[in-house]
Amino acid sequence: NAGVMQNPRHLVRRRGQEARLRCSPMKGHSHVYWYRQLPEEGLKFMVYLQKENIIDESGMPKERFSAEFPKEGPSILRIQQVVRGDSAAYFCASSQEFGRNTEAFFGQGTRLTVV
Amino acid sequence: AQSVTQLDSHVSVSEGTPVLLRCNYSSSYSPSLFWYVQHPNKGLQLLLKYTSAATLVKGINGFEAEFKKSETSFHLTKPSAHMSDAAEYFCVVSFTGGGNKLTFGTGTQLKVEL
Repeated sequence: NAGVMQNPRHLVRRRGQEARLRCSPMKGHSHVYWYRQLPEEGLKFMVYLQKENIIDESGMPKERFSAEFPKEGPSILRIQQVVRGDSAAYFCASSQEFGRNTEAFFGQGTRLTVV
Repeated sequence: AQSVTQLDSHVSVSEGTPVLLRCNYSSSYSPSLFWYVQHPNKGLQLLLKYTSAATLVKGINGFEAEFKKSETSFHLTKPSAHMSDAAEYFCVVSFTGGGNKLTFGTGTQLKVEL
């Protein structure tokens, strides 16, 4: 059973371009979470999704950022018109259920560099 | 609101000596607490978790942590450090009703010297 797969591992974008980050959850997991890690900081929650639904997007910037988790295919975190401050590591996690005793499994992250 | 404070941003120990990484939490609800480890350019790996069962939790690679409600602490310990333990460690909290929405501490970088 493969773990959480994120691609690409590294992504370089020029200012103003779009960045698309993909996350395939573990098999059987229907809950996906995105976190952002800025340099020298811990991870910050961005968004929680189930299939075709955004459950909690309280950590998402109001503009330029969007996320989806379609019925088929990976979850996508999309950043439009990237700026230098978007440079960070973006981690995806998945879980089988929703609840305090349920472990979230993390992917290896996508490191976005905006030049 | 919930939060977690890791008191040391960097800890340095000699190989074979004990490790103590400190963590204090704040949560209005009954918390679940976790320690994750992140090796350079790698993802996060769960070391151990506390979810209101035994207060002393044993994890992988010889690590353990004790939940102390009176002190709102969840310190991570290991009796004898190994070179391979060098990594960044995150204390994480979630609370009943928050599901898997995790709040991370800022991390402690552990350095292990010969």
